[in-house]
Order: sequence, then structure tokens, then C-alpha cells
Amino acid sequence: QAGLTQPPSVSKGLGQTATLTCTGNSDNVGNEGVSWLQQHQGHPPKLLSYRNNNRPSGISERFSASRSGSTASLTITGLQPEDEADYYCSTWDSSLSAELFGGGTKLTVL
Amino acid sequence: EVQLVESGGGLVQPGGSLRLSCAASGFTFSSYWMHWVRQVPGKGLIWVSRIKGDGSITTYTDSVKGRFAISRDNAKNTLDLQMNSLRDDDTAVYYCARTHMGNWDYWGQGTLVTVSS
Repeated sequence: QAGLTQPPSVSKGLGQTATLTCTGNSDNVGNEGVSWLQQHQGHPPKLLSYRNNNRPSGISERFSASRSGSTASLTITGLQPEDEADYYCSTWDSSLSAELFGGGTKLTVL
Repeated sequence: EVQLVESGGGLVQPGGSLRLSCAASGFTFSSYWMHWVRQVPGKGLIWVSRIKGDGSITTYTDSVKGRFAISRDNAKNTLDLQMNSLRDDDTAVYYCARTHMGNWDYWGQGTLVTVSS
């Protein structure tokens, strides 16, 4: 089954801003709400953002999401060491009738 | 407090079967879609299957159709995944997860399934 495309890795400096992308098509990202999840090594994923740009309680305002066409983005401002993790986008695909995850982006904070 | 606790993982030979369970607590279990998601250590998340709150709808990823069966017991607040005809590439950590209005809001800690001879 086709997935969502994320860059495998992004590296940014401490305090900088990172923008992670997730590209799909009109059957998924283009017309369905996108969630973003953060996963630290050895831990389950954690929800950061849902339905394109809503943050669960307790999630820092440094994390913000957006969508333009069939590409969703997660922007993390003021990068901290604890932001170093894997980030996944997820959405429903109406054509495949399946939940999709992107391949994940490993964020390195230098 | 919402809790999801998986169990049932282990080592199984190719072609064998295994049944995973997820014990849920802290919420009205029957009101939520529940899912199984797997992850090969060091690799990405792969959605496996989902089941509607009342059990009336189940969906599977193509690679497990006909081999895996998801079920739930809303009286016992448990989610199961019966895995048959297991293959080497089914080896992964299997997570039980809840979605609320399409959002992955709670995950278990995962249980490791190793398929190997």
C-alpha cells in the first residue's frame, strides 16, 4: 500500500526552527485531517497535533502544524535537546480504506 | 487515567499462530475505535488493523488480510489480535492504540513478536 512521504532526516541547531513535511495526495493528506506524532527511542509514539493544527493539552506551543494542498507540515520552534526524536505524520486514506503513517523523520538537534 | 497494556508477544515459528491482547482501562472502551500498529525495531510505524467501538467494522492492511483477525470484548475491555500463518516479516513490536475522532491519542507500551525458526 502506498504511504505518506517524509524526509528521512532533518538536522538543525539548538534554538533554531525545524519544519518537517509529509506529502500525500488528494485521497489522504489533501482531504483528511493529519496527525503528527513524536517518538523517542524505546517509547511509544505521542500525539503532538491532530486534525491539521490542534494541539492536545500539555503539548508546547513550539509545535505547530499546517497543511497546504497535499502536503502537511510540522514546525518546531526554539529547538531543544529533548526535541530530538522521530516524527511521524498520519492520516486516513479514503481510496485505500486504510490508516497511513509516513516513513518518519529523524530530527537531530545539533 | 487511560491505560492500554498489551500482552501475548513472544517467539513463534514461521507458519505459527499467536494471539495478542490489549487490556484497556480508564475510559469507556466501547466508545472508541481501537487499532493495532506495528513497528520493526529501528523502522517506521505500520498500521495493521482497526475495529469500531461496537465491533461492527473491522479493517486490515493488505499484508495481513486473511491471516490476522481483530476482535474486542467490550464487557471485559479487551482488544485482541489473532495472528495466523505468521511470516518472518511479521516480526515487530505491536502496539495497541486508541483513536478519538481520528486522532491517535493513547498508545500502549507494545509487545514484541518474533517470528523465527
